[in-house]
Amino acid sequence: QQQVKQSPQSLIVQKGGISIINCAYENTAFDYFPWYQQFPGKGPALLIAIRPDVSEKKEGRFTISFNKSAKQFSLHIMDSQPGDSATYFCAASRISGGYNKLIFGAGTRLAVHP
Amino acid sequence: KAGVTQTPRYLIKTRGQQVTLSCSPISGHRSVSWYQQTPGQGLQFLFEYFSETQRNKGNFPGRFSGRQFSNSRSEMNVSTLELGDSALYLCASSLRLTSGGQETQYFGPGTRLLVL
Repeated sequence: QQQVKQSPQSLIVQKGGISIINCAYENTAFDYFPWYQQFPGKGPALLIAIRPDVSEKKEGRFTISFNKSAKQFSLHIMDSQPGDSATYFCAASRISGGYNKLIFGAGTRLAVHP
Repeated sequence: KAGVTQTPRYLIKTRGQQVTLSCSPISGHRSVSWYQQTPGQGLQFLFEYFSETQRNKGNFPGRFSGRQFSNSRSEMNVSTLELGDSALYLCASSLRLTSGGQETQYFGPGTRLLVL
């Protein structure tokens, strides 16, 4: 019930292409879904986040699509750049109950080739 | 505004020893959460402290403990270290509004602990 499943484990995309990372969750009480980006030697940094009352959120080249009935959400990176090469983590949290605890997916290592 | 700082950045210990890691949150942030990151288990929540009280706890043994000071700085302690405790320990801070709305968690660079 607490799991967040993330796929693929790794992804290679050509510069200018679209990177798509998918996540699925089980606990319907989750009500906050952030995506984090992590570079080697750094801590994760928030990229974009969505609440379940919205089906899509876009910030620049990054878009979250959210499907509440399927309990799935995904990150789309448009016009992928070599600088986007990093590990991406989806996460879920139940903030309505005052829980400040993030449940993370296993991560996706993205490599964008020039 | 300075980000989350963690000290030390790297640490080598031997089995059976204990270790204390420190985290200074972003100024004004009242909540500090700790996470363990390993290649095998990924990012796992350890615990959260807010107003010097532990508010949430993950599924880790009692060897893992923490505390928070009145200035919101936090420490975590691991006693009787095991080889499996080798990991990157990340601290994250957030405002922790009392209304319960989600605030972004800002992560520090982590402390890399190696247990020999």
